[in-house]
Amino acid sequence: GAGVSQSPSNKVTEKGKDVELRCDPISGHTALYWYRQSLGQGLEFLIYFQGNSAPDKSGLPSDRFSAERTGGSVSTLTIQRTQQEDSAVYLCASSSILGMGETQYFGPGTRLLVL
Amino acid sequence: AQSVSQHNHHVILSEAASLELGCNYSYGGTVNLFWYVQYPGQHLQLLLKYFSGDPLVKGIKGFEAEFIKSKFSFNLRKPSVQWSDTAEYFCAARGGNNRKLIWGLGTSLAVNP
Repeated sequence: GAGVSQSPSNKVTEKGKDVELRCDPISGHTALYWYRQSLGQGLEFLIYFQGNSAPDKSGLPSDRFSAERTGGSVSTLTIQRTQQEDSAVYLCASSSILGMGETQYFGPGTRLLVL
Repeated sequence: AQSVSQHNHHVILSEAASLELGCNYSYGGTVNLFWYVQYPGQHLQLLLKYFSGDPLVKGIKGFEAEFIKSKFSFNLRKPSVQWSDTAEYFCAARGGNNRKLIWGLGTSLAVNP
């Protein structure tokens, strides 16, 4: 497909386990973003990748969260030692046009439930 | 701190009613503004955006929004809603060279047939 894809669509895990969430951006998009959407709250920025530049990790809530982007395409968000407050929908977005004309296109998200 | 506020959390309308959803942002300089929509069971989709130029922006499905700089507002409007407009609507803003979008909490719109 032509859009952003994410997997898995749903993930249920036990507290303390690690999880990996995957994002496939739109082909050719150089920028990739991760957001978190918690119940009753807006989207919260987590991390941003642009080409080969160092990622902007300023939104990661704790050192349990990390992300990488391999080959400038697919990205994986890893949450170690999950906590119940990590339960949320994790959204990935990608964009191609830099600067003030940029528009982000979103994937369907991964719904994470930590028991 | 930069912020986006949406004043209406839940809106219920009948079909053919007019819609206006409020959005205010706190950036003082150049700003990009967006409205995204999330239909039930679907992912976020771009409804419309403002970068520069004409402050009245037309989007998909008959939606429009007006950027009023003096009021720091970017309200979303539609003259006649349909049942299929039932969705969650999010306003977002990005200021200056900042790549991060700042989001409002969203407005849940329910349109009764």
